[in-house]
Amino acid sequence: DGGITQSPKYLFRKEGQNVTLSCEQNLNHDAMYWYRQDPGQGLRLIYYSQIVNDFQKGDIAEGYSVSREKKESFPLTVTSAQKNPTAFYLCATRTGGGNQPQHFGDGTRLSIL
Amino acid sequence: AQTVTQSQPEMSVQEAETVTLSCTYDTSESDYYLFWYKQPPSRQMILVIRQEAYKQQNATENRFSVNFQKAAKSFSLKISDSQLGDAAMYFCACRMDSSYKLIFGSGTRLLVRP
Repeated sequence: DGGITQSPKYLFRKEGQNVTLSCEQNLNHDAMYWYRQDPGQGLRLIYYSQIVNDFQKGDIAEGYSVSREKKESFPLTVTSAQKNPTAFYLCATRTGGGNQPQHFGDGTRLSIL
Repeated sequence: AQTVTQSQPEMSVQEAETVTLSCTYDTSESDYYLFWYKQPPSRQMILVIRQEAYKQQNATENRFSVNFQKAAKSFSLKISDSQLGDAAMYFCACRMDSSYKLIFGSGTRLLVRP
């Protein structure tokens, strides 16, 4: 989706290191989400934010942290407490109610060095 | 807890033929929304089709249509005239009206034989 930019495309983490994945959107959407995808599996929700300065834990928040200081940005930090961080990470946004779908970025592939 | 189940890990279809991917879900809510997403090898998540639970009419988008059976909590995706570009992972997802969360199934890999 051209309106959601995730960077970097590939990221490598050393033991004990925190890394931050970027997600920026120009769609003016209120809600933003972070998902984790492991090989051959579906998406699992890490964190989500409905408005600026507010966010909630998803199903697998342990070892991750987020911030939502601006409407356009929702960075995800993978901390050293996340012992198995190797996965594909997807950011999504959504606006409105009802049947509005989530729109996804192109993802970041995180690997351990 | 709400769950979404895709019981077919992999399906195969001959080019130009029709294939149906299955999805069932479990919810106690009466208002919810259902989606099918496609994830090609590029790993982008692309919306294929959506269905509102309050609508009885099945959604259709060109070659893609759904068979929504609310009482059975079933939401299958039918792809007609399959094309090589349809080969991808397909994910079924459900969002309750009371929640911002989208619950995904585990996915079905679709192979298209030329």
